[in-house]
Amino acid sequence: GENVEQHPSTLSVQEGDSAVIKCTYSDSASNYFPWYKQELGKGPQLIIDIRSNVGEKKDQRIAVTLNKTAKHFSLHITETQPEDSAVYFCAAVSNYQLIWGAGTKLIIKP
Amino acid sequence: DVKVTQSSRYLVKRTGEKVFLECVQDMDHENMFWYRQDPGLGLRLIYFSYDVKMKEKGDIPEGYSVSREKKERFSLILESASTNQTSMYLCASSITGVNTEAFFGQGTRLTVV
Repeated sequence: GENVEQHPSTLSVQEGDSAVIKCTYSDSASNYFPWYKQELGKGPQLIIDIRSNVGEKKDQRIAVTLNKTAKHFSLHITETQPEDSAVYFCAAVSNYQLIWGAGTKLIIKP
Repeated sequence: DVKVTQSSRYLVKRTGEKVFLECVQDMDHENMFWYRQDPGLGLRLIYFSYDVKMKEKGDIPEGYSVSREKKERFSLILESASTNQTSMYLCASSITGVNTEAFFGQGTRLTVV
């Protein structure tokens, strides 16, 4: 079955710097890759997603890239701000289910 | 805005008790999901439902059952709670399948003592 690995587990960056979180997946048939942000005490919320027919997608300070050949996709956050502090999850669809990465705790240092 | 509401934020139950976790969504979504969230393991799917009275097992259904008598309500049942079921439980809903945005509730932190 599908396996999604996410790195790093914790990422600490200076406010204003960029943050990159990477995920790899194993099922070459996966075709949908969402990223969710979970703030303390809340459920995850979709921040951006990408489908397999697209290599990159941007939404303001957030971008996602997908390399289907290498089977990895990444979340890029530029000009980080304190409100970006949260846990971020990647996921991939396989066999009609979402398979989730273990999560990355992003810490923004003032 | 879509709202997914879970009935409790925190629950403490004793080993062997029957536990009900309730979830209600207000956007007429077809699909509803129950996940379990544990540190370092991400979210793991327990059960999902794509229609009223329909249910499908996820990755970790053992020890759980579900009920969906009405479209807006999806209940997770722990038939006989055990300490290894201490966890955060998240309910979600989506318009169609897993290729669309899932909307999550705030979670229920269940402790089994």
